[in-house]
Amino acid sequence: GDSVTQMEGPVTLSEEAFLTINCTYTATGYPSLFWYVQYPGEGLQLLLKATKADDKGSNKGFEATYRKETTSFHLEKGSVQVSDSAVYFCALTLSFGNEKLTFGTGTRLTIIP
Amino acid sequence: GAVVSQHPSRVICKSGTSVKIECRSLDFQATTMFWYRQFPKQSLMLMATSNEGSKATYEQGVEKDKFLINHASLTLSTLTVTSAHPEDSSFYICSVLGTGRGGELFFGEGSRLTVL
Repeated sequence: GDSVTQMEGPVTLSEEAFLTINCTYTATGYPSLFWYVQYPGEGLQLLLKATKADDKGSNKGFEATYRKETTSFHLEKGSVQVSDSAVYFCALTLSFGNEKLTFGTGTRLTIIP
Repeated sequence: GAVVSQHPSRVICKSGTSVKIECRSLDFQATTMFWYRQFPKQSLMLMATSNEGSKATYEQGVEKDKFLINHASLTLSTLTVTSAHPEDSSFYICSVLGTGRGGELFFGEGSRLTVL
């Protein structure tokens, strides 16, 4: 079946450090890929997405490129801030309407000043 | 502000009791809502799709008589965990499909259920 494997946390970085959170997937077709973020006390929010191979999603300084050859969608940010502390979820869907997401386990990121 | 609200955020109950979790769409009418469950260190797993005015569609392996879903209005879906047992302790999250909003999903903040 379809699945998402992401980097186990927790991850702790200093402010302004470079961030990479790895995500790889297994899917029977050609999925759309997502990164969601959950800040403390809030619901998951869509951070970025990519719908086809070689697409790059970006938002708030975060980027992820859809790599079909390596079945990956790694999340990166060049300089993290304390406000980026949150749980990050990689997800995919094969459904047209973007529902029925398959999620990874989530990676807790803590940025220290 | 929040688009989807869940209540309660935390609940502790005794084994054998039933617990109801509410999911409200605050910003728009939602014909479709989704319920997810997350066990510690595991992925969010889709439990069921809640359709307004009709029966919910459950994923394979999810007991429909155990997890009752009622989507009685366009802004409210409820999940009732009946005769809860310690193995039902989990984090339950609802999401709302934003029709007319590019198909984006909006999530509640989650409800942590602990069954003693």
